[in-house]
Amino acid sequence: QKEVEQDPGPLSVPEGAIVSLNCTYSNSAFQYFMWYRQYSRKGPELLMYTYSSGNKEDGRFTAQVDKSSKYISLFIRDSQPSDSATYLCAMTPIKAAGNKLTFGGGTRVLVKP
Amino acid sequence: DTGVSQDPRHKITKRGQNVTFRCDPISEHNRLYWYRQTLGQGPEFLTYFQNEAQLEKSRLLSDRFSAERPKGSFSTLEIQRTEQGDSAMYLCASSSDMGAYGYTFGSGTRLTVV
Repeated sequence: QKEVEQDPGPLSVPEGAIVSLNCTYSNSAFQYFMWYRQYSRKGPELLMYTYSSGNKEDGRFTAQVDKSSKYISLFIRDSQPSDSATYLCAMTPIKAAGNKLTFGGGTRVLVKP
Repeated sequence: DTGVSQDPRHKITKRGQNVTFRCDPISEHNRLYWYRQTLGQGPEFLTYFQNEAQLEKSRLLSDRFSAERPKGSFSTLEIQRTEQGDSAMYLCASSSDMGAYGYTFGSGTRLTVV
């Protein structure tokens, strides 16, 4: 079993809908949580990060962390066709030297005009 | 600063050949990472440099793989005697010492071993 699980999708939504993405993880040591967006043939681009449990909002994006359930979510409001991409969750135990990230497998999202 | 640069973007090689990739990080970043990503999967950690010192290597990095970062600037990743299973996207990323907030990835080098 992988440390971080993510539904591969694809997740298809109409333009303007809310996109809901999530990851589950097994390592209770993870403290820092990130969401990356990856367009085809490009490297991942950091969207949001959160520390421990709670919510964080940035424009159309909201990230949630529930450490008790080992579950994180990303919501995209008013989705646009330009949001069509693969979304990767990533996490790391502590803000220490190296802080290598453990990624989920990614969810492919398609926003239809 | 144009971000993290990787060269080449694509590489096709025959099985058994050696290949070398280059990464130029963001100039003020002292940490540099290599990750490997196969189709439909998330990136997997390979190795990490703090300045010129290679501080951690994944068990994914077999003895056919070697990475260097001379003078703490650019880095190279070499794969010797390539195998078809080495076909993947090789991603480089860099960060500052406060890199817990995520780092900046390059666009990757896509390797195809035929």
